[in-house]
Amino acid sequence: AQSVTQLDSHVSVSEGTPVLLRCNYSSSYSPSLFWYVQHPNKGLQLLLKYTSAATLVKGINGFEAEFKKSETSFHLTKPSAHMSDAAEYFCVVSPYNFNKFYFGSGTKLNVKP
Amino acid sequence: DTGVSQDPRHKITKRGQNVTFRCDPISEHNRLYWYRQTLGQGPEFLTYFQNEAQLEKSRLLSDRFSAERPKGSFSTLEIQRTEQGDSAMYLCASSHSSRMNTEAFFGQGTRLTVV
Repeated sequence: AQSVTQLDSHVSVSEGTPVLLRCNYSSSYSPSLFWYVQHPNKGLQLLLKYTSAATLVKGINGFEAEFKKSETSFHLTKPSAHMSDAAEYFCVVSPYNFNKFYFGSGTKLNVKP
Repeated sequence: DTGVSQDPRHKITKRGQNVTFRCDPISEHNRLYWYRQTLGQGPEFLTYFQNEAQLEKSRLLSDRFSAERPKGSFSTLEIQRTEQGDSAMYLCASSHSSRMNTEAFFGQGTRLTVV
């Protein structure tokens, strides 16, 4: 069985400070993991993906995530938040056959000036 | 490559009416997914096609819901006898079953309001 837990429903940071959005997953197999971002009235956009290659994954807009199998975590980070990063972020897991994608409940990131 | 296209973008319907949504995936993507997203929640899986075959259906997909992908290209999602609880954003996504391209590309969704 697959599932995703996003540990924070809301995160608020000041512009220029680091961002940490936490995600834990449960998977019966070696999973593929993704982070998607959803801006208001926009579609879901892929930020980055882990598919059993390097454990530190770099994505768009300066975001990174590290796959830690021992901790079953895939936390999303960014060194310095920008106002345009304010959005909702979803951690997603997919089993080996990609027959579905399991979404977490989302984390809303607020960036204060 | 114009991305995943969904039509209509918004639909308001009266309770009890039938509605149909269309999804055009990225060309040559053989996998197609339907999801439902309600306010404050992450998208929930509804169903999955590989080519024209519907391979997975969620228990969320009641008998009032039916999805088709007749020629392995576009897909339709029909909801019969709509209920207020069906109000949500319906998302379509597509992907290709190659090892290198595993992520799903999402459309902007169809927002359904049942009044």
